[in-house]
Amino acid sequence: DVKVTQSSRYLVKRTGEKVFLECVQDMDHENMFWYRQDPGLGLRLIYFSYDVKMKEKGDIPEGYSVSREKKERFSLILESASTNQTSMYLCASSRGRGRNIQYFGAGTRLSVL
Amino acid sequence: QKEVEQNSGPLSVPEGAIASLNCTYSDRVSQSFFWYRQYSGKSPELIMSIYSNGDKEDGRFTAQLNKASQYVSLLIRDSQPSDSATYLCAVNRNNAGNMLTFGGGTRLMVKP
Repeated sequence: DVKVTQSSRYLVKRTGEKVFLECVQDMDHENMFWYRQDPGLGLRLIYFSYDVKMKEKGDIPEGYSVSREKKERFSLILESASTNQTSMYLCASSRGRGRNIQYFGAGTRLSVL
Repeated sequence: QKEVEQNSGPLSVPEGAIASLNCTYSDRVSQSFFWYRQYSGKSPELIMSIYSNGDKEDGRFTAQLNKASQYVSLLIRDSQPSDSATYLCAVNRNNAGNMLTFGGGTRLMVKP
C-alpha cells in the first residue's frame, strides 16, 4: 500500500512564526503536492513538485514556499504564519506522467493564533 | 482556471437506494477523471478512476463518463449508511496528466 505520512495531525502556532509541514512518501513517486482545504472552497493546490529540487506554483502559492531535497520528502513552509493560513493541509503523491492517481496523507490541521 | 463543478448537497437517500452524484468540467481536453470519498475529518481516498467514455463498474460503484457533454457521474447502488461522506470529483488539468483540479464535493447522507 502507498503510504503518505504527514508529520503532525494538529499544530498550533502564533502569528509571525515560521512553520514547517513535512510530508514523506514511501512509493518512490515522482510527484508530490501540497493542498489546503477550507469549508466551501474545496481542495486548492498550493505547490507541486515533479522531481527533486523542482517545483511549480499552484493556485494559491502566496505566503508559502516548498522544499524538496530528497525524492521521498516534500516540505511546506509558512515563512510568517498569519491567521488566514489556519486550515487543513493535505499532502499527496503520485507516479510520473499520465493517468496518475494521487494518494493523500492524513492531513495536518493548522491553527494560527 | 479550469473549473470542476459539483452540487454541494447534501444529497439524502434512503438506505438501499441508488445515489447519483454528478460533476461537470470545463476543459474539453481533460483525459483523466477520478472520484474520491472523504469522511468527515479524514483525507480523500480514491474510489474510482475513469478515462474512456462509457461506464466503469467496481462493486456497488459505477462511474460514467461523457466527454462530449463534459460530465462524469458516480452511481452508488444499494447505498449504506457507511457511504455517508463527501465525494470529490477530480479532473486532470495539464498535458502531463499529473495535476488535478478538484470540485468542491457533494455531501451524501444515507439514512437508515
